[in-house]
Amino acid sequence: GDSVTQMEGPVTLSEEAFLTINCTYTATGYPSLFWYVQYPGEGLQLLLKATKADDKGSNKGFEATYRKETTSFHLEKGSVQVSDSAVYFCALSETGANNLFFGTGTRLTVIP
Amino acid sequence: EPEVTQTPSHQVTQMGQEVILRCVPISNHLYFYWYRQILGQKVEFLVSFYNNEISEKSEIFDDQFSVERPDGSNFTLKIRSTKLEDSAMYFCASCPEVAGTHEQYFGPGTRLTVT
Repeated sequence: GDSVTQMEGPVTLSEEAFLTINCTYTATGYPSLFWYVQYPGEGLQLLLKATKADDKGSNKGFEATYRKETTSFHLEKGSVQVSDSAVYFCALSETGANNLFFGTGTRLTVIP
Repeated sequence: EPEVTQTPSHQVTQMGQEVILRCVPISNHLYFYWYRQILGQKVEFLVSFYNNEISEKSEIFDDQFSVERPDGSNFTLKIRSTKLEDSAMYFCASCPEVAGTHEQYFGPGTRLTVT
């Protein structure tokens, strides 16, 4: 069945450091891949997505590339800010499917 | 900007009691979802709802659970007889179309604690 495996947290970085949060997936078909972010006290918000192999999703300086050969969708940001502190969730959805499969979430804390 | 809202933010209940978790999806959305996250575990899909009926449900969503859209605005999740293992964060989501490539919009969650 479909599943998402995400890097364990928590992750603590200094401001302006480089961020990578690893995500790999298992899917029976050709899924769409997502990164959601949850800021304190808020709901999960879509950060970026990619719907087919080799697509790159990007938003707010974050990027992730859909790698079919390695079944991965790693999240990266070149220079994190304190305001990026949040929990990040990797997720997938099969085409035409009606639900998302999530990873466990990775808590990121950025210190000044 | 429209958003999904959930009430209450935290619910404490005793084992065996019924609870109703409430959600107000974004008004022009057609698909509605409930997910849950037990502490330290993955966010898990429970159920999806479209056109006033369940369109898909997971193995977790057994006879103790039910969903309803009673008034065209609220979307509720009822747990008839809560168990300790129902303690989790429950997220409601809505989507303008069937998921797949489309974004789901999530509420802030209700933390349910069963004692």
